[in-house]
Amino acid sequence: AQKVTQAQTEISVVEKEDVTLDCVYETRDTTYYLFWYKQPPSGELVFLIRRNSFDEQNEISGRYSWNFQKSTSSFNFTITASQVVDSAVYFCALSEAEASGGSYIPTFGRGTSLIVHP
Amino acid sequence: DTGVSQDPRHKITKRGQNVTFRCDPISEHNRLYWYRQTLGQGPEFLTYFQNEAQLEKSRLLSDRFSAERPKGSFSTLEIQRTEQGDSAMYLCASSYTQGNTEAFFGQGTRLTVV
Repeated sequence: AQKVTQAQTEISVVEKEDVTLDCVYETRDTTYYLFWYKQPPSGELVFLIRRNSFDEQNEISGRYSWNFQKSTSSFNFTITASQVVDSAVYFCALSEAEASGGSYIPTFGRGTSLIVHP
Repeated sequence: DTGVSQDPRHKITKRGQNVTFRCDPISEHNRLYWYRQTLGQGPEFLTYFQNEAQLEKSRLLSDRFSAERPKGSFSTLEIQRTEQGDSAMYLCASSYTQGNTEAFFGQGTRLTVV
């Protein structure tokens, strides 16, 4: 069965610090997709990135970067020079094919609450 | 189309009452998901539709819960005989059919059962 673990419940940093949010996943499938979402206080989950299991290239988007390592089943998210507006709960998610009968239903971790202090 | 919309945003109901929530997905999306989120937890899958067909239901979806997507467009989630344990945020999401696509979420309906 698929599983996503976000061991960090809450992280508190001061503005301009770099911060890394950890995500470890479990799957028996060879084809799967990983996602990160941001949930600000307003409540709506905002999609940030999707990565498929065959693409281990790291990705950078502005102050955000993602490190995907199949060898350690991790898909970590780093925010460089954090800002107060980055304060939110961040969720890592996994969807897989065979184990769910081809359904690709996203399974979410418990989330990491990031608090950025001015 | 501006995204997934859910109605109402908030609902307070007395225990034992029935409630119904509505979700309007992004129009081109074939898939529609319902999730439940409680405080401090990630979204938990309840059920999903491929067009009008309900293809999978989680064991979390007790027989008091029913979902429909009659014409493959909007969906409703009904909870009968609500219990205090049903208090949660109910999230709707939609996506294309292919696995390599992300789901887009609505703002959710926060249900409080008193």
